Amino acid sequence: AQTVTQSQPEMSVQEAETVTLSCTYDTSENNYYLFWYKQPPSRQMILVIRQEAYKQQNATENRFSVNFQKAAKSFSLKISDSQLGDTAMYFCAFMKRPGNQFYFGTGTSLTVIP
Amino acid sequence: EAGVAQSPRYKIIEKRQSVAFWCNPISGHATLYWYQQILGQGPKLLIQFQNNGVVDDSQLPKDRFSAERLKGVDSTLKIQPAKLEDSAVYLCASSLRGISYNEQFFGPGTRLTVL
Repeated sequence: AQTVTQSQPEMSVQEAETVTLSCTYDTSENNYYLFWYKQPPSRQMILVIRQEAYKQQNATENRFSVNFQKAAKSFSLKISDSQLGDTAMYFCAFMKRPGNQFYFGTGTSLTVIP
Repeated sequence: EAGVAQSPRYKIIEKRQSVAFWCNPISGHATLYWYQQILGQGPKLLIQFQNNGVVDDSQLPKDRFSAERLKGVDSTLKIQPAKLEDSAVYLCASSLRGISYNEQFFGPGTRLTVL
């Protein structure tokens, strides 16, 4: 079975600063994807960034980047130049292939402080 | 492009009653997921459909939960009878089979309160 662990239930960061959210996972699979999803208060979950396990290069999307350490089974999210709109729950997710089953962590509540 | 639609958005029932949720995925999306998200937790996969076939329902409490996806488009999730611990947000998501990363698109969810 796959498990995803987010050890930081809550975090805060000053506006314009950088914050890193941690995620570790456990799997015996070799073919998988990793994702970070954002769930703003009372709003829909949206994809922030994804990483294919077979790619060594870390994914980057504008202010969001990941540090993917496959051997350590670690997948952290770095948010640079934090903005007030980044305040949300962030979920780390693992997708197994084939089959595309998803497994989510328990989430990290991020608050950006003005 | 229209997103994933869910209804109702909110539902309050008493324990032992029945309830049904509806999901309309994005047009053309072959894969449909139902998740249960209890307050303060991450989404837990209940059931995954590929077209109208079930791919994974290992975490679906089959004694009280059922789901179907007729014609491979809309889906309904039913709880009968409901328990207090079923209070949660039920999320529907869909993805386009064949895309390498299979991004999921989520609906707004149905918030269920069981009294």
